[in-house]
Amino acid sequence: DAKTTQPTSMDCAEGRAANLPCNHSTISGNEYVYWYRQIHSQGPQYIIHGLKNNETNEMASLIITEDRKSSTLILPHATLRDTAVYYCIVRVPWAGGYNKLIFGAGTRLAVHP
Amino acid sequence: DAGVTQSPTHLIKTRGQHVTLRCSPISGHKSVSWYQQVLGQGPQFIFQYYEKEERGRGNFPDRFSARQFPNYSSELNVNALLLGDSALYLCASISDNTGELFFGEGSRLTVL
Repeated sequence: DAKTTQPTSMDCAEGRAANLPCNHSTISGNEYVYWYRQIHSQGPQYIIHGLKNNETNEMASLIITEDRKSSTLILPHATLRDTAVYYCIVRVPWAGGYNKLIFGAGTRLAVHP
Repeated sequence: DAGVTQSPTHLIKTRGQHVTLRCSPISGHKSVSWYQQVLGQGPQFIFQYYEKEERGRGNFPDRFSARQFPNYSSELNVNALLLGDSALYLCASISDNTGELFFGEGSRLTVL
């Protein structure tokens, strides 16, 4: 079973920030938080990941609470092309040779004009 | 650089048949994973291969098998197809350095 819980769906107006929450209360000390998204009928796309510090890249920002039990993915200026299913995943560091992602149902984000 | 390529993109089979799906990872990546995604659900892990050896297996029946070739491409085989095998089958190429997964566009299998 997935170790994360996310809302089933969210709406966001185009141009506004989209804040997608994720709970991972049983996360272990060495597990990272990863975010992927899947646009309709395409393969999942990596967005961002972090361990305990906040992270930012060209796509999004990741805010992880101090106790690491929850996190928020922020799309600062959502566009219609950001409409997708967003998956929050926790996983152990790459140890070479074995890497399994456990996907939940994700959050379906709808960006509207 | 070419991304992850999968073939075929779509196929239709009937119950009891078998199917072979193919995946070519990103150049330089030695590891691939296979995932099954049933409509409305997140992807479910099937297999992972690293350096041509199976390194992980999900909770799938023995009808599912896979292999990896010396050029690191991979095949997923499913025998005795059931209606419930209808899904999008995703291949992921894994970076040796970071462990990041790069997914292909998938092969959509319909079993009638």
